[in-house]
Amino acid sequence: EAGVTQFPSHSVIEKGQTVTLRCDPISGHDNLYWYRRVMGKEIKFLLHFVKESKQDESGMPNNRFLAERTGGTYSTLKVQPAELEDSGVYFCASSPQSGGPYEQYFGPGTRLTVT
Amino acid sequence: DAKTTQPPSMDCAEGRAANLPCNHSTISGNEYVYWYRQIHSQGPQYIIHGLKNNETNEMASLIITEDRKSSTLILPHATLRDTAVYYCIVRASSNAGNMLTFGGGTRLMVKP
Repeated sequence: EAGVTQFPSHSVIEKGQTVTLRCDPISGHDNLYWYRRVMGKEIKFLLHFVKESKQDESGMPNNRFLAERTGGTYSTLKVQPAELEDSGVYFCASSPQSGGPYEQYFGPGTRLTVT
Repeated sequence: DAKTTQPPSMDCAEGRAANLPCNHSTISGNEYVYWYRQIHSQGPQYIIHGLKNNETNEMASLIITEDRKSSTLILPHATLRDTAVYYCIVRASSNAGNMLTFGGGTRLMVKP
């Protein structure tokens, strides 16, 4: 079974540019999450999809961040325009949708550097 | 979700058991204890979870005290590849979609 995949693994962009990160969850997992770790800080939740719907986006830092999950499969996270403080590692995770304490499976992350 | 407290770092000799403690004194009755780890430059990896009873899987054992206010993750025979940051997370099970709240974790260094 393929795990969660993320693309690209690294991205270096200049301040003011746009970057789009992609996450492919484990097949059949309705729940998809985005997290990020900025330099020296803890891993923080950004948002949660159930299929194509945003269940919780309380962690999104501001309106420069836009997440989509059209069709309930893969998800994209766009940062526009990027700022220096957006640098960090962005993780995607997925889990099956049903009652119970299901664990989340994480991807390897995308390291974003804004210069 | 309940807050957890972990020591910032620990050392362990290769081949010995690594015992990682976690305090969660404000845990509620419907909250599970989860353990994840993050090996350098990788995404967090699920290890184990439990509610009341002790749990064991191929990776580790989880010992939860009777009052559920603390727990210990045990790696029975630590190897160099177990060097990582270990996170103890408490999360309710009423909604499978709940986010994970990561703290600082414990940085475990396994030494030869």
